[in-house]
Amino acid sequence: LAKTTQPISMDSYEGQEVNITCSHNNIATNDYITWYQQFPSQGPRFIIQGYKTKVTNEVASLFIPADRKSSTLSLPRVSLSDTAVYYCLVGDRFGSGSARQLTFGSGTQLTVLP
Amino acid sequence: GAVVSQHPSWVICKSGTSVKIECRSLDFQATTMFWYRQFPKQSLMLMATSNEGSKATYEQGVEKDKFLINHASLTLSTLTVTSAHPEDSSFYICSARDLWGAEAEKLFFGSGTQLSVL
Repeated sequence: LAKTTQPISMDSYEGQEVNITCSHNNIATNDYITWYQQFPSQGPRFIIQGYKTKVTNEVASLFIPADRKSSTLSLPRVSLSDTAVYYCLVGDRFGSGSARQLTFGSGTQLTVLP
Repeated sequence: GAVVSQHPSWVICKSGTSVKIECRSLDFQATTMFWYRQFPKQSLMLMATSNEGSKATYEQGVEKDKFLINHASLTLSTLTVTSAHPEDSSFYICSARDLWGAEAEKLFFGSGTQLSVL
């Protein structure tokens, strides 16, 4: 399994940019990197997915270096409502049903302070 | 995006009773759904993969006779916790992919079911 490692927790202040890094040293050639957000007592929500270089959508950016052994989720100008747990997953893009794509690591608890 | 509906959102039951949790894909057909369990302050743990019309595939350590999964249609999967005990108290979450939709790379999750066994 392509294991992922993330910081357990991070604190930030409103309006700051937050970068959460995920290590995935054993990433396979056809693996994508996907990030999910989870609020307490809710199911996770897809944030962004990428394969290499940089991907940006309306809520976040994902930076992936050339060796793809890590990735960084960037949240611009966070607000209190961004306080949540963020998970990094590694696996084939459409998840053929293999557990590898569906294995959640420990996640990073982001706390945004006023 | 696609919507996955999960019911009930919470349930309290007595030890020894069985509890059924439903997971529905509202606007797409999900040939495969996934069931997770999450304990407080912990990550999601994949329990099983539910395939429409066939037996579920359980992860190692998950008792198939304890957690019965049925995926009778392309839009409905159910998880039944049989003879529930206090140690089964947890947050159960289902998810699915819309493999033929524009967002096939995303897992869509239900809102979860908090099970409390007294």
